[in-house]
Amino acid sequence: DAKTTQPNSMESNEEEPVHLPCNHSTISGTDYIHWYRQLPSQGPEYVIHGLTSNVNNRMASLAIAEDRKSSTLILHRATLRDAAVYYCILRDRLYGGSQGNLIFGKGTKLSVKP
Amino acid sequence: DAMVIQNPRYQVTQFGKPVTLSCSQTLNHNVMYWYQQKSSQAPKLLFHYYDKDFNNEADTPDNFQSRRPNTSFCFLDIRSPGLGDAAMYLCATSISDRAVTEAFFGQGTRLTVV
Repeated sequence: DAKTTQPNSMESNEEEPVHLPCNHSTISGTDYIHWYRQLPSQGPEYVIHGLTSNVNNRMASLAIAEDRKSSTLILHRATLRDAAVYYCILRDRLYGGSQGNLIFGKGTKLSVKP
Repeated sequence: DAMVIQNPRYQVTQFGKPVTLSCSQTLNHNVMYWYQQKSSQAPKLLFHYYDKDFNNEADTPDNFQSRRPNTSFCFLDIRSPGLGDAAMYLCATSISDRAVTEAFFGQGTRLTVV
């Protein structure tokens, strides 16, 4: 079952903000929302995660809807290096082991134009 | 400095000939994961170790095995590679399997089966 839904692709201009949406209408109260990205020919890398409140770090911001059924990853100023596939993933904090594993969906391919 | 190292970056093997991919980590993390990523698809979890405890995903073919002789190293063995096993194989580590922890990925080994 797909737990998250993301657009297949998005385009952005360099140095402009990018808002990457993720729908997770069946999210449980104990699910963390994680974002990873995968640059071409590289392994995925962690971007950010949150539970209920909005989160900021050096890479991005995560805005979580009040009902938690959707979230948005915000890149404040896109660079060419941000062109990647962005994955939104739910992980249940109640479980370790297989039930809490990092399971990737299809993700959003972000293209950045100079 | 690379923290999760996969060797080799590119591996060519013959149809049906056993092949081993290796992963090492300098993070002293408890959990090590193996993912398979086919072209234009998301990474798919094959199995993971929590310390010495092995956890196989339900749909991982028997053809895939893994060994973890110590904390730092983990191996993926493909007993009889088929053409359908050509993919990028990604190793990742995490300090624990709890949902709040981030995973660190290697750059992957791209396996070609001829």
